[in-house]
Amino acid sequence: RKEVEQDPGPFNVPEGATVAFNCTYSNSASQSFFWYRQDCRKEPKLLMSVYSSGNEDGRFTAQLNRASQYISLLIRDSKLSDSATYLCVVNMGFSGNTPLVFGKGTRLSVIA
Amino acid sequence: EPEVTQTPSHQVTQMGQEVILRCVPISNHLYFYWYRQILGQKVEFLVSFYNNEISEKSEIFDDQFSVERPDGSNFTLKIRSTKLEDSAMYFCASRVEGLGEQFFGPGTRLTVL
Repeated sequence: RKEVEQDPGPFNVPEGATVAFNCTYSNSASQSFFWYRQDCRKEPKLLMSVYSSGNEDGRFTAQLNRASQYISLLIRDSKLSDSATYLCVVNMGFSGNTPLVFGKGTRLSVIA
Repeated sequence: EPEVTQTPSHQVTQMGQEVILRCVPISNHLYFYWYRQILGQKVEFLVSFYNNEISEKSEIFDDQFSVERPDGSNFTLKIRSTKLEDSAMYFCASRVEGLGEQFFGPGTRLTVL
């Protein structure tokens, strides 16, 4: 069974805090990795792709450890607008036909 | 910026009725998908569609479900005889090619009474 597991959350943090989310995936042959953000009753929106070398986009840093099948997301200097559910998403196949497998998501609430 | 659109935003139907959910993927995209999300649960894959045929489907996508690309722009999901447990958000997504990101539409909330 192809699974993506995430921290259960919720995370309640003050503005300005640094928060980290973790995720593990079951299929070692997985090819591409993403963090999506989902606001309440809205569609998932891509936050960032995750590369083996790690990547950073402003306050957001994503890391991938293929050996441990582990993905992380670090958010620095949290803003109120960061409050959302963060979805760890994995493409476990080799082609564009292969679906994305979603984690359950971790809810983040940033408090003033 | 091009985006995936879906109609209707909310559909209420009686159990046993047929529903058709509509999507217009981004125009130069080649791969199309339907996902669903039951309230409080994770996003689940239903079906992928490429080159005018189904390429993969999940165990959820049984004989009650079908997809179609009736013209060059629309992509539809039909549920033949809805059940209470079909109540969910249904998201359409599309991708240009390869293993890149998928872009999601705003979803259709289906409520089966």
